[in-house]
Amino acid sequence: EAQVTQNPRYLITVTGKKLTVTCSQNMNHEYMSWYRQDPGLGLRQIYYSMNVEVTDKGDVPEGYKVSRKEKRNFPLILESPSPNQTSLYFCASRRSDPPNEQFFGPGTRLTVL
Amino acid sequence: SQKIEQNSEALNIQEGKTATLTCNYTNYSPAYLQWYRQDPGRGPVFLLLIRENEKEKRKERLKVTFDTTLKQSLFHITASQPADSATYLCAPSRDNTDKLIFGTGTRLQVFP
Repeated sequence: EAQVTQNPRYLITVTGKKLTVTCSQNMNHEYMSWYRQDPGLGLRQIYYSMNVEVTDKGDVPEGYKVSRKEKRNFPLILESPSPNQTSLYFCASRRSDPPNEQFFGPGTRLTVL
Repeated sequence: SQKIEQNSEALNIQEGKTATLTCNYTNYSPAYLQWYRQDPGRGPVFLLLIRENEKEKRKERLKVTFDTTLKQSLFHITASQPADSATYLCAPSRDNTDKLIFGTGTRLQVFP
């Protein structure tokens, strides 16, 4: 089954404790991205990757890091989480050629105390 | 800056009626526009994509229009059902390498 998986699905942590949210896709997609979704603000892109070893900042990259060492994986790293990073996070992937519909993961609900 | 506007107020309609959702954009000239459905706490799911040279696209009970002059897309669900209740997001893009910019979505509630 074609899918994007994320882990963990739920996470409660404390300020400053480094964490990683994993993302994996099995569709051989070149393009992957991370979004956060907050009430009233919609989906905002954090980082994206056009292919292996190619990453770039989205609209709200501060406080986040990513890496793309393999085509299927695109982990999101919070080196020192803060309460304002409490949010619902989605990983997504798509092909690089049209049609470029995006496939989203199930989401990770993160709470930083 | 680019702005995508969807009606932030929920749309409440009766089962069997046609629901029409609006997506307006400014300072932007997208070549593609996508619509997604999102259920609470879950990831968005792709529904339809329409290109700038297509006036209308249909898929089962769904219909999307794209008016580049008005800078607007309309999303219609005919014969709506309670199972259609969800938030619907529009997402334009300039080309296949451009990122999608998502609207904040319109919540649709279909009552029996």
